[in-house]
Amino acid sequence: SQQGEEDPQALSIQEGENATMNCSYKTSINNLQWYRQNSGRGLVHLILIRSNEREKHSGRLRVTLDTSKKSSSLLITASRAADTASYFCAPRGMDSSYKLIFGSGTRLLVRP
Amino acid sequence: DTGVSQDPRHKITKRGQNVTFRCDPISEHNRLYWYRQTLGQGPEFLTYFQNEAQLEKSRLLSDRFSAERPKGSFSTLEIQRTEQGDSAMYLCASSLSGGAMNTEAFFGQGTRLTVV
Repeated sequence: SQQGEEDPQALSIQEGENATMNCSYKTSINNLQWYRQNSGRGLVHLILIRSNEREKHSGRLRVTLDTSKKSSSLLITASRAADTASYFCAPRGMDSSYKLIFGSGTRLLVRP
Repeated sequence: DTGVSQDPRHKITKRGQNVTFRCDPISEHNRLYWYRQTLGQGPEFLTYFQNEAQLEKSRLLSDRFSAERPKGSFSTLEIQRTEQGDSAMYLCASSLSGGAMNTEAFFGQGTRLTVV
């Protein structure tokens, strides 16, 4: 298993703006998952993108994956105050371990 | 409610005491994971089970920590002789088995442990 590294560490935007968060990883993956965590709560799964996919949408979320650059991005369009949370990526490596390894995340603040 | 359930949600204990947390996964999920999270950090992997078998343990898991999943359903995480450094949020997650392409994990709300 491997850890993703999210960038930036913190992001502050105005409500209505778009937010982009990036994730980099080191070795080949089977898939990459994005999770959200509201303060003091558990993680919520957002999107899983497979290694043979390049882009995936879910509502206001758009995830891209570039396996040649070993990177992924999460775009939240038309952000809302309720999107304020920490966002984590979890790349699933090619090894046989099923655990997910999380980085420190991106803390997003959406100002009303 | 068919989500992952953790109990208790909060626990305050004195240093040196033992504590036990419980996790009830989503019923059809045969994989169960424990994570620990401190303020400002991402969740750190502790251990995971497939059915009742504990398949992997992190080196973070000292001898004071033990986890069980006796019948392949709920799991318990026990910390013996707690230390102040054990103060953290303990998260449980579960997932279906299957191919590596379908392993999204569902998390509980966590148990926040404070050791005083």
